[in-house]
Amino acid sequence: EVQLVETGGGLIQPGGSLRLSCAASRFSVSTYYMNWVRQAPGKGLEWVSVTYSGENSNSYYSDSVKGRCTISRDTSTNTLSLRLTSLRPEDTAVYYCARMSPLTDALDVWGQGTLVTVSS
Amino acid sequence: HSALTQPASVSGSPGQSITISCTGTSSDVGNYNLVSWYQQDPGRAPKLVIYEDNKRPSGVSNRFSGSKSGNTASLTISGLQTEDDGDYYCCSYAGGNTYVFGSGTKVTVL
Repeated sequence: EVQLVETGGGLIQPGGSLRLSCAASRFSVSTYYMNWVRQAPGKGLEWVSVTYSGENSNSYYSDSVKGRCTISRDTSTNTLSLRLTSLRPEDTAVYYCARMSPLTDALDVWGQGTLVTVSS
Repeated sequence: HSALTQPASVSGSPGQSITISCTGTSSDVGNYNLVSWYQQDPGRAPKLVIYEDNKRPSGVSNRFSGSKSGNTASLTISGLQTEDDGDYYCCSYAGGNTYVFGSGTKVTVL
């Protein structure tokens, strides 16, 4: 079964940093656009970042995390990562990794999500 | 980009049809045929139900259909069933290699 499993969430103090991982099964993260999407408690979905497939593998970020965020992929372990620094309480959310088809720009496979809480 | 605008809630009786709107701008919804829709049950990850404005993924019920006119996309659920309860989000490519989600709509089957 095609699957994504996120790890790395938890309680982090304001100003700290986080690193989330997303392990992929039954497909290669190198051949799809890979995204992070987050959802604050009781709120809607917010797109965070994408890394494109192919030789360039360029990455892009939402304005809310630009400058604090790095998305990357490790093809040897078939995982996607997200590093977010200078954390603020408003970064508190469930973070989902999601696969996007290069042909449709639609998020067709999602992980179960990992909760990040930024609080002192 | 600001979130796309969706009604906060829509309700209907079993068997009825409902439509959820998703209003953006000429920079996102109106400029690309790349609107997708997601269904989310409480505590669960979202699930793709429509992509490229009006295409249905394999395995999704044909009761779900998508359309678009100008800067507004719509999701119609026909023959409403209790299992259709949940939150629904639209998403559009917004240019500059970024994406934007809608504000979300809570669907209640009465």
